[in-house]
Formats: sequence, structure tokens, C-alpha cells
Amino acid sequence: GAGVSQSPSNKVTEKGKDVELRCDPISGHTALYWYRQSLGQGLEFLIYFQGNSAPDKSGLPSDRFSAERTGGSVSTLTIQRTQQEDSAVYLCASSPSWGQGALGYTFGSGTRLTVV
Amino acid sequence: QKEVEQDPGPLSVPEGAIVSLNCTYSNSAFQYFMWYRQYSRKGPELLMYTYSSGNKEDGRFTAQVDKSSKYISLFIRDSQPSDSATYLCAMSGEGGGSNYKLTFGKGTLLTVNP
Repeated sequence: GAGVSQSPSNKVTEKGKDVELRCDPISGHTALYWYRQSLGQGLEFLIYFQGNSAPDKSGLPSDRFSAERTGGSVSTLTIQRTQQEDSAVYLCASSPSWGQGALGYTFGSGTRLTVV
Repeated sequence: QKEVEQDPGPLSVPEGAIVSLNCTYSNSAFQYFMWYRQYSRKGPELLMYTYSSGNKEDGRFTAQVDKSSKYISLFIRDSQPSDSATYLCAMSGEGGGSNYKLTFGKGTLLTVNP
């Protein structure tokens, strides 16, 4: 596609339920990132995938959060037993493998998660 | 202290004004300095980036980096209503193989009034 696609765009869930957020990166981009943007906070790094390398999971806030990337393309971020503090916009980005990855980010529009 | 500090505003200016946005940071290892623009309910988009210290100009936008003071700025000349958005500073280049990771400020909400 022309850009990074995220679904759903909005998700309301009950506390304690599991949710799955999906990201479709730009075709050909080998690097994929997840960030979280909470109210009044800047974007916080969650996880990074690059090709077949082991992902950098250092930003995941707890073991309730996990992510996978299948076939080097689509990624799914899963939050188990959601809590109210998980309410945020979850942004996905992708970048080409060449050059400085941080300069080549293209972000999706995000999934707005509300835990009630 | 957060690694990157940015005044969240909000900032409201009349059309045509010069806007000054800035961030301070504490990690001297940062080498790449970026400004992103984020419209409501959209993802951030890269506006400008600077490597190390210095100035960079692109049309009505000028980015400045002063590494000695750990201070970066974005100036917008002849501001337009279409510039109304949240502006986020971001930094990377910590080394150790983590150059892909961005550290963001909280963002400044700018409104340009016609």
C-alpha cells in the first residue's frame, strides 16, 4: 500500500479483556516499530523488528504486552488482561532497511485504545 | 528528569507570526535531531532533521541544534492556519546499535489563527 495501515482505528474494550492491534507496513520496508502515545505524554518506544533478527522488546511495559511479525510483513501487538492505564494511541511505523532507520520512519494513523 | 523536555503549550499565534518551538535534552549521545508534525488523529510526519549541531532551513522552517547547551529549536516564519498541529521533537543516535530508536518530547500544540 501507499502508507502504513493500522486496524482498528478505534477500539473500546472492557478491563481484563485481551486486545489485538494490527499493522500493515509499507511494502518493502524491513523495519517495523510500535510506539505508544498516552495523554500528555510523548511517544514511547515499545518494540522494533528488523528482518529476521531478534526483535528489540526493551520498551514493552509489562509481560502483558507482546508482539509478533509474521512473514516479515504484518505485525500484531497483543495486550492481555487490559488495564485502564493501557488506554492510549498505539502507533506503528516502518522504515527501509537502508540508511539511518530513525530518519526513514513512516507512521500509521494509530489505533486509539480505550479501556473502560 | 525526562530525557527530552518540551513545553506542551498550547501556543496560539496570529497568522503571519514567527513561531519558536524548542526542546532540551539530557543525553549527550544523541546525534540526530528531528521535528515531527502531527495533525489531529493522524500519525506524526517528519518535518525536518539535523545531524549534530548547526542550522538547517527548508522554506519557512528553520531547525537549530546547539549540542553544547543540549537545546534544539524550530522556527516557523509567516505562520499559516495550515501549520496548526502538534509539533514533536525527537532524537536518536545513542549508539550501541540503538540508532533506530527515537526519544520524543511530549509535543507542543500550536494554533495559528486567521
